[in-house]
Amino acid sequence: DSGVTQTPKHLITATGQRVTLRCSPRSGDLSVYWYQQSLDQGLQFLIQYYNGEERAKGNILERFSAQQFPDLHSELNLSSLELGDSALYFCASSVGRSTVRNTGELFFGEGSRLTVL
Amino acid sequence: AQKITQTQPGMFVQEKEAVTLDCTYDTSDQSYGLFWYKQPSSGEMIFLIYQGSYDEQNATEGRYSLNFQKARKSANLVISASQLGDSAMYFCAMRDRSNTGNQFYFGTGTSLTVIP
Repeated sequence: DSGVTQTPKHLITATGQRVTLRCSPRSGDLSVYWYQQSLDQGLQFLIQYYNGEERAKGNILERFSAQQFPDLHSELNLSSLELGDSALYFCASSVGRSTVRNTGELFFGEGSRLTVL
Repeated sequence: AQKITQTQPGMFVQEKEAVTLDCTYDTSDQSYGLFWYKQPSSGEMIFLIYQGSYDEQNATEGRYSLNFQKARKSANLVISASQLGDSAMYFCAMRDRSNTGNQFYFGTGTSLTVIP
């Protein structure tokens, strides 16, 4: 158990719809990252938040948005869904800095598998 | 330029043999971290091993070791005594610093199949 919680684990919806994926980071982690993994593909970085503020943007579509709340949980909103948005969406958290006591690695949630029909 | 390159899309290894998964990286930072993650067919991403850029010794975690060659910018994962449960996708990753803080970069992955 990585300590990162993602809900829902599975989601099936139709084209044109909107969904929200939720992530609770590990206790004490300030950074949250969102990744998209399409079938048999690598991880595509979408967006990063640190302590409530957006830090970096990757290949995130304009139809997608995210935020990190004061309690550090994060939500990824996907709208006007298309078939190609079907993927496994990972949230990962990190303490946000590497120190002597930790390596600063990413801890991944189990992912939210989105199927758009 | 790719930050992380994994040139082996797929690898096969006989059970109980050792296997090396290749990874090269590109960064101009002096301080960075290198990671390997395992993704079994169930989908979760499992952290395996970490190597810091200043670490002089190669990292080891049980049957996993990281062959770190700094001058060549390579961070190969060695799995000894392969087991059937090692069949999975393996991702090499690097953390370096940008002006927005820590950034992580992932390779495209290597699919490892362990043959009984």
